[in-house]
Amino acid sequence: DAMVIQNPRYQVTQFGKPVTLSCSQTLNHNVMYWYQQKSSQAPKLLFHYYDKDFNNEADTPDNFQSRRPNTSFCFLDIRSPGLGDAAMYLCATSRSGGNEKLFFGSGTQLSVL
Amino acid sequence: AQRVTQPEKLLSVFKGAPVELKCNYSYSGSPELFWYVQYSRQRLQLLLRHISRESIKGFTADLNKGETSFHLKKPFAQEEDSAMYYCALSEKSNTGKLIFGQGTTLQVKP
Repeated sequence: DAMVIQNPRYQVTQFGKPVTLSCSQTLNHNVMYWYQQKSSQAPKLLFHYYDKDFNNEADTPDNFQSRRPNTSFCFLDIRSPGLGDAAMYLCATSRSGGNEKLFFGSGTQLSVL
Repeated sequence: AQRVTQPEKLLSVFKGAPVELKCNYSYSGSPELFWYVQYSRQRLQLLLRHISRESIKGFTADLNKGETSFHLKKPFAQEEDSAMYYCALSEKSNTGKLIFGQGTTLQVKP
C-alpha cells in the first residue's frame, strides 16, 4: 500500500553515464519534490513540480533535470553523474503545497563508480 | 538566509528518561515548523507540526519565536522512539518546500 514509490532502491552508475531515477504516486497529489541527501547531511531540495509547472532551486546544478509526464510519475535525470552526486535521492508529494505534510518515498541510493 | 540547526547528531537516553531534541531556526518572517521522523528501514514521515499544537506518540513541540527554537520533547522515552528526527521549516508560499536540519539520532536504551 505504498503511496509514493521509488525505483530502484539502489542504483549504480558509472562516472559520466546518464542515469534516471523514477518516482510514482497513487495519491493524485499536485506537488512532487526531489530531494538530495548526502551522507550525514540534511535533505536538500533540488526542484519541484506544482502540477506541470517546474520550479528549480537556484543552486541545483544544471546536470540535474526532471520530467513529469503526468500526475503520477516524476523522473530525475542526471546527465553526467560525478562522484559528488552519490547520495540518497528522495521523492515526496503533497496534495497542494502550502503547509501540508509531505509524503516521502523510500528513496533511491545512487552510487557512482 | 533560512536555516535549520539541530546541534546534536546523537542523543542517547535510557528508557523512561525525558527527551529533548533541540532545533533552532533562522527565518525572516513567521515560519511553519515541523518534525519529521525516520524509523529504521522506514520512510521519512511527519511526526508533528507546530500549527496543529498536537501531541503525537507523547511528543510535543512548542514554537518559541523569541529564542527561534522548536524543540521536541517527550517526558518518558520508549525504546520504540529510537529513530532519526529531522526538524524542518516551511516557507510561507504555496510550494510547501521544506528546509531540513541535519537530523538527530535518538537512541533509547533499555
